[in-house]
Parts: sequence; structure tokens; C-alpha cells
Amino acid sequence: SAVISQKPSRDICQRGTSLTIQCQVDSQVTMMFWYRQQPGQSLTLIATANQGSEATYESGFVIDKFPISRPNLTFSTLTVSNMSPEDSSIYLCSVAPLRGDEQFFGPGTRLTVL
Amino acid sequence: KQEVTQIPAALSVPEGENLVLNCSFTDSAIYNLQWFRQDPGKGLTSLLLIQSSQREQTSGRLNASLDKSSGRSTLYIAASQPGDSATYLCAVRRSGVGNQGGKLIFGQGTELSVKP
Repeated sequence: SAVISQKPSRDICQRGTSLTIQCQVDSQVTMMFWYRQQPGQSLTLIATANQGSEATYESGFVIDKFPISRPNLTFSTLTVSNMSPEDSSIYLCSVAPLRGDEQFFGPGTRLTVL
Repeated sequence: KQEVTQIPAALSVPEGENLVLNCSFTDSAIYNLQWFRQDPGKGLTSLLLIQSSQREQTSGRLNASLDKSSGRSTLYIAASQPGDSATYLCAVRRSGVGNQGGKLIFGQGTELSVKP
């Protein structure tokens, strides 16, 4: 298994600002994922972040809005840029220690944009 | 395109009942299927992982089955307790190149309430 921590756990932000969410894993993993869960909805994959390469974004998500860093095998950040109230969601970091195998999730970051 | 559906969307049962949550998926070419639990405002906890070659997995009071050919999985919870109250999510991982596995596709979840 993998233990994942996220910072911050929650935040309230003003429209037009940016927030960077940090994800730390207790072991080295190749693949890290960032998900969004809008109120009352299921999870939507934003992007897959592999160490040493550019993140791969899903349809509907762009790097300018959600830049991702993956400086090493245990850490990643997701930035939500130029926020609007529609960005209010829970953002979750996830890892699959073995490619294609069981996937684990962090506790999430609850973001509210006013 | 893979679509995952969970029925029912919400379920309320009295404590002690056995219950079944259903998950269906449209494309049988999956690598594995995973059941998660999510408490309100929290992250996801992995409950059970079933590989495509397996028929079922058990953990304590939980038993998950997989029928890949019919595109169905069930999560059976025995002797339900109020602490089981949460949203249960089913997710399938599609087969990728060389069975390396692709991304997880999630259902909408079943919100379970177990009344004391």
C-alpha cells in the first residue's frame, strides 16, 4: 500500500487567485494522478504525472489552468490557476505503486472559491 | 467508451442486514476493478481489488464478485453496521498496451446509510 498526504486539507480562496496543492507519498511511485470531485459528483481524472516527463492531461483540462510539477518519485504539486467559483471541488492525489495495480488516494483538498 | 453505472444511487438499511451494491460497465476489456469507500468530504479508501482473471475477492465482511463477460460486479456487505455508512464507488481500469493498465473510470457511487 501507499500512504499519501496532501496540503492544504482545505482552503477558501478569492476569484482570480491561484492555489498550489502538494502531494507527498511515503514510497517511490512511477505514476501519480490528480482527480477532481465536484460537489455531489464522482471523480474525474485531471492528469497523469510521471516523474521526468510532462503531465498528460485529460480532455477538458489544460496545462495553463492546472499546471503540474513532478520533481521526484515521491512528490507532486497541482496548481489551480485563475480560480473561479466553478473550481470549487475536492482535489485528490492518487498513486498506483505497481503499474496497473491497486490505486490509492490521498485525503483530498477541499477548495472553495468565492 | 467505457461507462460505469452503479445502482442504486442511495440505499438505507437497518443495522444487521446483509446488502448488495451493484456496478455495471459497458466494455468488458478491463484490466481490473476496484471498490472504494468514501466518507463525506474525505478521500477514498480502497476496499477490494479484483483482477480481470478473478471471480471474487473477500475482506472481512466484504465480498466483491466480478463477471467480466456480462459487465457486472457486486459488493456484498454482511451484517451491516452504522459505521458502514458511506459512499461506495466502483472503478474499472481498462486494459492498456501489454496489459499495463489504463486510467480508472469511476461510477457515480452508492450512498449507503445503515440505521441503528
